[in-house]
Amino acid sequence: AQSVAQPEDQVNVAEGNPLTVKCTYSVSGNPYLFWYVQYPNRGLQFLLKYITGDNLVKGSYGFEAEFNKSQTSFHLKKPSALVSDSALYFCAVTRSGYSTLTFGKGTMLLVSP
Amino acid sequence: KAGVTQTPRYLIKTRGQQVTLSCSPISGHRSVSWYQQTPGQGLQFLFEYFSETQRNKGNFPGRFSGRQFSNSRSEMNVSTLELGDSALYLCASSLGSIPDTQYFGPGTRLTVL
Repeated sequence: AQSVAQPEDQVNVAEGNPLTVKCTYSVSGNPYLFWYVQYPNRGLQFLLKYITGDNLVKGSYGFEAEFNKSQTSFHLKKPSALVSDSALYFCAVTRSGYSTLTFGKGTMLLVSP
Repeated sequence: KAGVTQTPRYLIKTRGQQVTLSCSPISGHRSVSWYQQTPGQGLQFLFEYFSETQRNKGNFPGRFSGRQFSNSRSEMNVSTLELGDSALYLCASSLGSIPDTQYFGPGTRLTVL
């Protein structure tokens, strides 16, 4: 079985400040981890993924995520938030040899001007 | 490259009716997955098709079915609609390796009255 926890329903940050959206996972074997973003009335947009290698993964729109195996975490980060980053963020996990993604419940990010 | 397209974008049906949703994957992608998104349950996996064969199935009743055609386009069908089937149905495509990055369409918003 595999699962994802996003402990915060909502994260509030001021524009220009760094942001972190938290994700922890549970999976048998090596994890494959993904972050997606969803804007209102839109599908999910792929941001970044961790497969193997460097624990710091860089993605689209200045986002990055840090894989921490000992803490089973994959937190999404950005050094300087923009108002346009306000959206719903999903973390997802799967494992080697398995194609189905399991998603967290999502975290709403609100960036205030 | 054109993205994943889904038709129709919006549907209104009444209880007991059936509905068919369509998904055209990114050119060259052979895998199509379907997800149901609701405020209460979040994103739930329905099924995945690869090369016209169902490769994985989620925990949904038999009223939910799907198929994939030789050009990788996919349809999902829901029979005997219930009020609880109201949701955003998302389609995602990938090249088909296991695992792989999934790219999502804009979704079909189904409302059951």
